[in-house]
Amino acid sequence: NAGVTQTPKFQVLKTGQSMTLQCAQDMNHNSMYWYRQDPGMGLRLIYYSASEGTTDKGEVPNGYNVSRLNKREFSLRLESAAPSQTSVYFCASRGGIYVGDTDTQYFGPGTRLTVL
Amino acid sequence: QKEVEQDPGPLSVPEGAIVSLNCTYSNSAFQYFMWYRQYSRKGPELLMYTYSSGNKEDGRFTAQVDKSSKYISLFIRDSQPSDSATYLCAISSAGNMLTFGGGTRLMVKP
Repeated sequence: NAGVTQTPKFQVLKTGQSMTLQCAQDMNHNSMYWYRQDPGMGLRLIYYSASEGTTDKGEVPNGYNVSRLNKREFSLRLESAAPSQTSVYFCASRGGIYVGDTDTQYFGPGTRLTVL
Repeated sequence: QKEVEQDPGPLSVPEGAIVSLNCTYSNSAFQYFMWYRQYSRKGPELLMYTYSSGNKEDGRFTAQVDKSSKYISLFIRDSQPSDSATYLCAISSAGNMLTFGGGTRLMVKP
């Protein structure tokens, strides 16, 4: 039982390049999330998926797109990377469907992205 | 003003000390309160969860919520070097998303 896995662990991009961050969970969870973490800013929600087939914007969605490929996988795409997107990206999953439910959110190990 | 404020630290204490970590928030609709622990270069993990006002104890950890003051605390008794991490408070209201504080970095020195 691996929990939440993310690939890649590290990535360096040039401005304007695109890439997709992959996330998968093996806990049969309904809800999945993408956050970014910047120094002193805490975790900020980019997008979330309450259940398979649905996605919604979070606090900071500009410059990102997401795909809930199936119940296990939730990917985050940067179409044209900018230096402001340099950050650590975390994927999380939770058993509940209702966003306000307080089931534990389980986090992946993160992807460290640098955009030059 | 951020919805959830947290002193970034770092907070440095000797082993065995009692640690107090705090968050303030502005939205009175918040009713679910959580503390996450994040070790360096790792993902956050849930440490404590409380609903509404009051205290909750789990081993060396005590979470306290004062809704009248919009203030939450995490106390760590007999702190250990292994407690060195960043502690994030997270708050939500029913039907809403988690809002995280910026995190407090704690260092417990042997």
